[in-house]
Amino acid sequence: HVQLQESGPIVVQPSETLSLTCTVSGGSMSSYYWNWIRQPPGQGLEWIGYVFYSGTTNYNPSLESRVTMSVDTSKNQFFLKLDSVAAADTAVYYCARQLNSASKVFDIWGQGTKVTVSS
Amino acid sequence: ALRMAQSPSSLSASTGDRVTITCRASQDISSYLAWYQQKPGKAPNLLVYAASTVQSGVPSRFSGSGSATDFTLTINCLQSEDFATYYCQQYYTFPYSFGQGTKLEIK
Repeated sequence: HVQLQESGPIVVQPSETLSLTCTVSGGSMSSYYWNWIRQPPGQGLEWIGYVFYSGTTNYNPSLESRVTMSVDTSKNQFFLKLDSVAAADTAVYYCARQLNSASKVFDIWGQGTKVTVSS
Repeated sequence: ALRMAQSPSSLSASTGDRVTITCRASQDISSYLAWYQQKPGKAPNLLVYAASTVQSGVPSRFSGSGSATDFTLTINCLQSEDFATYYCQQYYTFPYSFGQGTKLEIK
């Protein structure tokens, strides 16, 4: 069965770039949309954006100026970069698979990685 | 952006109870509504999508209903493992957005 695993630095300095990788195992990336979602401490969920297996992206307008997502299907990985981070970007970051092209819901999630923005 | 409002924000109940959580959208979203369960320190788990389609593997005590702007998640005969936080999500339009969550606690 498909599993997702996030990886990357757990502490990022203010104004630097947050970079995360999500590794997909147990299945193909083809034909799926791959998403990033975050959750600040004690708060709700915020959709950051997705990257289609072909490389097409769609970002939340609230973060669009700072976000870049990409995919490497040969390595079964997709990536998140968030520029110019601040304390408000401290959160648990999840990668998640979209169920299918019609149902834009998230059926498989990584365990999440907590990223703290701090000097 | 389209806003999702859940009520109540917290709820106390006992095992065996039937509970209902409500989600209201700021505009008509047809049936493009999903529900998730999240336990502390864990990723959310998809329960219901398309307002009323229960995800494979989810117990039958969970059900969803509604359309347009008003939706409900019902849990029949609460079990101990159901005490968690529940989120609704709209996928009618970008950006996808979530409700603020409903924390279901043991009475």
